[in-house]
Amino acid sequence: DAGVIQSPRHEVTEMGQEVTLRCKPISGHNSLFWYRQTMMRGLELLIYFNNNVPIDDSGMPEDRFSAKMPNASFSTLKIQPSEPRDSAVYFCASSSSRGPNAEAFFGQGTRLTVV
Amino acid sequence: AQSVTQLGSHVSVSEGALVLLRCNYSSSVPPYLFWYVQYPNQGLQLLLKYTSAATLVKGINGFEAEFKKSETSFHLTKPSAHMSDAAEYFCAVNSAGGTSYGKLTFGQGTILTVHP
Repeated sequence: DAGVIQSPRHEVTEMGQEVTLRCKPISGHNSLFWYRQTMMRGLELLIYFNNNVPIDDSGMPEDRFSAKMPNASFSTLKIQPSEPRDSAVYFCASSSSRGPNAEAFFGQGTRLTVV
Repeated sequence: AQSVTQLGSHVSVSEGALVLLRCNYSSSVPPYLFWYVQYPNQGLQLLLKYTSAATLVKGINGFEAEFKKSETSFHLTKPSAHMSDAAEYFCAVNSAGGTSYGKLTFGQGTILTVHP
């Protein structure tokens, strides 16, 4: 398996523009997570899905952020409009179950820079 | 609510020396604990996990961790550091129940530097 695939790997955009990050989880995994990593705040869980349904989105910073999972093999995280403080590395991860002992497999991340 | 605290944002050791990275957890229900490693410009990968089967857990690359309920700790150790161990290490907790069910919460990370 190719693992969790994220695209793009790098994104540079201007403030105010819409940004869409994409994730393809490992086939057969039914839980998907979006994390944001910054120097100041570390790794923060933004939202997670189980069987394509959002379970907890309490980490989504504000209404400018939205996430969807239209099917088991694809998810998007959208920021509209983007702001410089959104600059971070965004990781997608998937796991085989919602159970607490399930290992999460991470993608390589998308480094977002908003100028 | 669940959380983990990693003591020391930076740890520096000599090649061949003992590595000790500290992690303390807080959880109102039995915890499941993980250590992940992140190399530069990479995602996180699992080193080891505790799922209540055994308190001493062995992972990849010679790392191990011991779960101590009385101390609410899950420290990561390696007897002899190698240059290739230089990376950032994250402790994480997941809970078997409560409002945090299914939610993996990470510590702030510890950057390990290994010098010759």
